[in-house]
Amino acid sequence: AQSVTQLGSHVSVSEGALVLLRCNYSSSVPPYLFWYVQYPNQGLQLLLKYTTGATLVKGINGFEAEFKKSETSFHLTKPSAHMSDAAEYFCAVSDDSNYQLIWGAGTKLIIKP
Amino acid sequence: KAGVTQTPRYLIKTRGQQVTLSCSPISGHRSVSWYQQTPGQGLQFLFEYFSETQRNKGNFPGRFSGRQFSNSRSEMNVSTLELGDSALYLCASSLGRPGQETQYFGPGTRLLVL
Repeated sequence: AQSVTQLGSHVSVSEGALVLLRCNYSSSVPPYLFWYVQYPNQGLQLLLKYTTGATLVKGINGFEAEFKKSETSFHLTKPSAHMSDAAEYFCAVSDDSNYQLIWGAGTKLIIKP
Repeated sequence: KAGVTQTPRYLIKTRGQQVTLSCSPISGHRSVSWYQQTPGQGLQFLFEYFSETQRNKGNFPGRFSGRQFSNSRSEMNVSTLELGDSALYLCASSLGRPGQETQYFGPGTRLLVL
């Protein structure tokens, strides 16, 4: 069965530094991969989504993710962190049998001034 | 277009009581999913409804139930509340399957069970 691992429940970076949030899936290539973000006291919203085609996906707020089949990864990056990026980030992949979402545990991104 | 709305936003109940939470999806969205979010367990899928039918269900006891109406609005019910049911309950709507289409989340209902 498919599973999703997000390495690091908390990641701390300085403002202006590179953001790297890691996501690995476990089994066969999922048809779709997603990153969602949850700002404090809000619901989740879509950052970006991979379907097919180009492996580098650009999302909102300067984030992007690269799908690497050989590494079963879909890591999220942003070249320069901003204070407003402080939030919890969730990686999710679709189950190829019923197209339900399999969610990672989430990573809280902390931005240091 | 109005977003996903959830009512009430906050709720305090005592053990043994029951609670009903409501979700109004984005107009035109026929899929509604419910999630429970807690600090310890993270985001856990409860169930998904599509066109008034439960299409998928997570691993929760039968005390958790839901339904969807013909206008796609959905309710979830938790009976015989336990302390461990204290959580943020999130509703999300999408045009199609959650694993294919973008899900749009409401702000959640925060339930505290005393």
